[in-house]
Amino acid sequence: DIQMTQSPSSLSASVGDRVTITCRASQTTSSYLNWYQQKPGKAPKLLIYGASTLQSGVPSRFSGSGSGTDFTLTISSLQPEDFATYYCQQSYSIPWTFGQGTKVEIK
Amino acid sequence: QVQLQESGPGLVKPSETLSLTCSVSGGSISSYYWSWIRQPPGKGLEWIGYIYYSGSTNYNPSLKSRVTISVDTSKNQLSLKLRSVTAADTAVYYCARRGVVVVDATYYYYMDVWGKGTTVTVSS
Repeated sequence: DIQMTQSPSSLSASVGDRVTITCRASQTTSSYLNWYQQKPGKAPKLLIYGASTLQSGVPSRFSGSGSGTDFTLTISSLQPEDFATYYCQQSYSIPWTFGQGTKVEIK
Repeated sequence: QVQLQESGPGLVKPSETLSLTCSVSGGSISSYYWSWIRQPPGKGLEWIGYIYYSGSTNYNPSLKSRVTISVDTSKNQLSLKLRSVTAADTAVYYCARRGVVVVDATYYYYMDVWGKGTTVTVSS
């Protein structure tokens, strides 16, 4: 199985801050990397697929980059509705695996 | 737009079989793959497996010996059965659609439509 490791596990930030979350795979996943946002009591929501393509309807302040084993999710200017937990997920090989999550909290 | 709704017993006894259904509305179950994912309380996400509308499946090896995913196209539903459950199977269970986009002959897969999830507790 490909292990996905996110860092940090949690972070505190203020509205307007630039936030970066890192996801590292235990082996290459090429660009088969997706990012999801999950709010408490809700299902995950797809933000980015293919490492860098924004899902329709997702605000442009979200962006993704990387390939191979190292990936980044960036929120350019944190908004109140962005406080949530973020997960990366590889779709390169079965079983699909997720990172452990990064919780973005209000400072 | 397509909506998914999970349903099933909220409480299952240890060693019994967990059975859940996911109803697809607003679109056909055909021509897509459909996944089950679970999330234990306070923990991360685990992919259980997926099924094509034709019945072709792919399971997480960690659960493969206990899992069966099936599809009923006449009802626009997919189902999950997990046998011999223990407390470790307590989780919120989600169904989701596997989306795909082709870019320069490369197929990118993701889960783009999710149900709200259903909580299953394993306890006597």
